[in-house]
Amino acid sequence: NAGVTQTPKFQVLKTGQSMTLQCAQDMNHNSMYWYRQDPGMGLRLIYYSASEGTTDKGEVPNGYNVSRLNKREFSLRLESAAPSQTSVYFCASTLDSFSEAFFGQGTRLTVV
Amino acid sequence: GQQVMQIPQYQHVQEGEDFTTYCNSSTTLSNIQWYKQRPGGHPVFLIQLVKSGEVKKQKRLTFQFGEAKKNSSLHITATQTTDVGTYFCAAYTGGGNKLTFGTGTQLKVEL
Repeated sequence: NAGVTQTPKFQVLKTGQSMTLQCAQDMNHNSMYWYRQDPGMGLRLIYYSASEGTTDKGEVPNGYNVSRLNKREFSLRLESAAPSQTSVYFCASTLDSFSEAFFGQGTRLTVV
Repeated sequence: GQQVMQIPQYQHVQEGEDFTTYCNSSTTLSNIQWYKQRPGGHPVFLIQLVKSGEVKKQKRLTFQFGEAKKNSSLHITATQTTDVGTYFCAAYTGGGNKLTFGTGTQLKVEL
C-alpha cells in the first residue's frame, strides 16, 4: 500500500501562474485535508473534505480551490500564484473524525 | 485563528535532559492526538488520548490529557538525538471533522 501520495514533490512557479497539487490515498479513507506549513506557524488547514462530495474551508482558504474528485483523490489548485503561497503543502487523510491522520510526503512550492 | 495553542515554540536540550511540550484549547476536546515530524519529513502519528485525565506511555514518552479535556502534554524522559524533530498536538474541532494542529514545538538535542 502506498498510503497517501502527493505530486509533485517540488515546484517553482512564477507569480500569476496556476497549478494543481494532486493527492491520492489508497486506504479507503473518508476524509481528506490540505495543510500548508510555514516556519513558526505549524500546520494550517487550507481546505478539507469530510466525505466524498463535500468540501469545507479551513483557516487559510484564500487563494486556493479544491476538488474532491472521488473518494481517493483530493486536489488543491492555485489559480494565480503569489509569493505568499511559497510553502510546504501536505495532504492528509483519515478514516473518520476519530482517527489518526496519514500524511503524504509533501510538496515544496516556491513562487518567485 | 487556530484553536489549539502549543508551547514552547522551540526547545534546545542537552542529551539526557527531559523535555515537555504543552497543548491548550479554549474549548473542550473530544480527543487529542500527538504527531512527530522529523526534519525534512512529514508528520507521523504517535498516539491519541480520549478520556479525561488519561495518561499513556510509549517507552520514554508520556502523554497526558487534562481533567477538563482542554489541555494535554507530552513529556520525554532522558532525551536522545533520535528525539529531534517537531512535535504537534492535534484535535478535531469545529463540530467534528476539522483536524486542527497546534503550532508545534521544535526540539533540538545537543550532545
